[in-house]
Amino acid sequence: DQQVKQNSPSLSVQEGRISILNCDYTNSMFDYFLWYKKYPAEGPTFLISISSIKDKNEDGRFTVFLNKSAKHLSLHIVPSQPGDSAVYFCAASGDSWGKLQFGAGTQVVVTP
Amino acid sequence: GAGVSQSPRYKVAKRGQDVALRCDPISGHVSLFWYQQALGQGPEFLTYFQNEAQLDKSGLPSDRFFAERPEGSVSTLKIQRTQQEDSAVYLCASSLEISGWYTEAFFGQGTRLTVV
Repeated sequence: DQQVKQNSPSLSVQEGRISILNCDYTNSMFDYFLWYKKYPAEGPTFLISISSIKDKNEDGRFTVFLNKSAKHLSLHIVPSQPGDSAVYFCAASGDSWGKLQFGAGTQVVVTP
Repeated sequence: GAGVSQSPRYKVAKRGQDVALRCDPISGHVSLFWYQQALGQGPEFLTYFQNEAQLDKSGLPSDRFFAERPEGSVSTLKIQRTQQEDSAVYLCASSLEISGWYTEAFFGQGTRLTVV
């Protein structure tokens, strides 16, 4: 069963505009959420995280929002840059050692 | 090295062949994870080590899969009698576990296994 879902397989956005990536989860035991970015032929790279005690975390151009009641989180990238073109994975953890459940990923393409 | 290192980067195996995939985690990282990523999907958890102890192997798809980390640093994922459905990218990740707090896992570049 897919406990973490990214329903948009792809997203195209103009350079300078906002990218919004969405992620839904079903397991209420998840208490830590992460976003990873992946370029082709490379491993995922950590981007930003949020614990369930917060509803927002910001790091430069990246902001993650968590809505626990809706079991939904989103990643905002503003402004989007061409180097942001990559696959973005949402991941969640609910155990003491950080085993991650990943979504299927969203391919972001930032056009000039 | 500074990051998680995996070898080989690419492996082609004939069906029925045994393979061994190596992971060198970041020095000092207590936790080590193996994930399997099929084409077009997100990584799926295989197994977890805390130092040399394998605390969770619930994600290993069959008894053909075996992982070890005998000295609490380098880890090897072994797949016996490979099948075509084993074709995937195998990712290793390590993290510096701090009691009571989560830290992010750092991933290696992965080993792409193709079974022909």
